[in-house]
Amino acid sequence: AQSVTQLGSHVSVSEGALVLLRCNYSSSVPPYLFWYVQYPNQGLQLLLKYTTGATLVKGINGFEAEFKKSETSFHLTKPSAHMSDAAEYFCAVSDRAAGNKLTFGGGTRVLVKP
Amino acid sequence: EPEVTQTPSHQVTQMGQEVILRCVPISNHLYFYWYRQILGQKVEFLVSFYNNEISEKSEIFDDQFSVERPDGSNFTLKIRSTKLEDSAMYFCASSEGSLGEQYFGPGTRLTVT
Repeated sequence: AQSVTQLGSHVSVSEGALVLLRCNYSSSVPPYLFWYVQYPNQGLQLLLKYTTGATLVKGINGFEAEFKKSETSFHLTKPSAHMSDAAEYFCAVSDRAAGNKLTFGGGTRVLVKP
Repeated sequence: EPEVTQTPSHQVTQMGQEVILRCVPISNHLYFYWYRQILGQKVEFLVSFYNNEISEKSEIFDDQFSVERPDGSNFTLKIRSTKLEDSAMYFCASSEGSLGEQYFGPGTRLTVT
């Protein structure tokens, strides 16, 4: 069975500061990994994904994440936070063997302080 | 940009009533999904659907739940006899391929009283 753990349900950062959201996963097969963002009253929007190849993946809005197999991690970063980054962020792993279902972490709510 | 839409945005129903949540996936997508998120909890997979059949379902997706693609555009989730614990945000998603990126709708908030 797959699982995803996001460390920290809430993160507060200052505008212009580094954003770091942690995600660790467990998977019995080589994983496909995703980060989704949810703005208030909206659906989940894909930020970036890792399937195969380069372990550092870049996404929308200046975010990137690095797949580290040895650490079973897929942490999300952004060098400089913007007020518009305030949202909830979800890490997810895909079960490629069974209907492509996504298993989500608990989410991390990001607050950006001016 | 194509998007997944869901109706209604909010549904209030009484315990024991049937509800149908509706989704219009992206038009060229072939794989469809339902997830739910109970307030304060994780987003959970319910069911995946392809070629008019359920591909995979979770333990949550019991006999009270059913899915249907009644026409070429809609994808529905029916809960036959709602329980208080069915109160949640329900998300529909679709993907073009079996391992493709899933695009999510804005969700339907179901409140069972």
